[in-house]
Amino acid sequence: EPEVTQTPSHQVTQMGQEVILRCVPISNHLYFYWYRQILGQKVEFLVSFYNNEISEKSEIFDDQFSVERPDGSNFTLKIRSTKLEDSAMYFCASSEALGSRGEQYFGPGTRLTVT
Amino acid sequence: AQSVTQLDSHVSVSEGTPVLLRCNYSSSYSPSLFWYVQHPNKGLQLLLKYTSAATLVKGINGFEAEFKKSETSFHLTKPSAHMSDAAEYFCVVSRVKAAGNKLTFGGGTRVLVKP
Repeated sequence: EPEVTQTPSHQVTQMGQEVILRCVPISNHLYFYWYRQILGQKVEFLVSFYNNEISEKSEIFDDQFSVERPDGSNFTLKIRSTKLEDSAMYFCASSEALGSRGEQYFGPGTRLTVT
Repeated sequence: AQSVTQLDSHVSVSEGTPVLLRCNYSSSYSPSLFWYVQHPNKGLQLLLKYTSAATLVKGINGFEAEFKKSETSFHLTKPSAHMSDAAEYFCVVSRVKAAGNKLTFGGGTRVLVKP
């Protein structure tokens, strides 16, 4: 069964460094998402991406964040200058369509630790 | 605006007994509702979805949920718990926009199954 994959599974970085989290969505999916979960808190929406552009972003998704689909398979989340509060589990998701067929399939997550 | 409240942060059941996970939602739109499960060190797996068809929705692994508009609830049940059901469960509401489905998560309910 097709699945969403994410690399790396764990990433440790120092404050102020740039990180790139990578995701490979399911191949025929058109809509792509990033969510994050800070330890002990709810899963939060960060951004949605469709047709090579951001379709919606949350207030968390400030200028330090960017997303890209550099080729036909990868979907990346970049944090330019990490802060301690960026430490979280980051989930990538993809969906084939919207509405009644719009269920999102999630990857296993990347645990980001900023020291 | 939309929000989700999971009424129990932890539920403990004995193997073979029923499971009930409670969820209330708030949405300005006709919602799509989902339950996801997260096993330790795994990604989020879709259990079931409601998208305005039948109000009683059957999912994987014997789970089902009933959409009650008058009560704004979407409780998840299973008649007989199995040890493998020990996991965290998330109730999720979705709002469909033109180019993306933003998911809003509840706080999660951690299920413990006792032998």
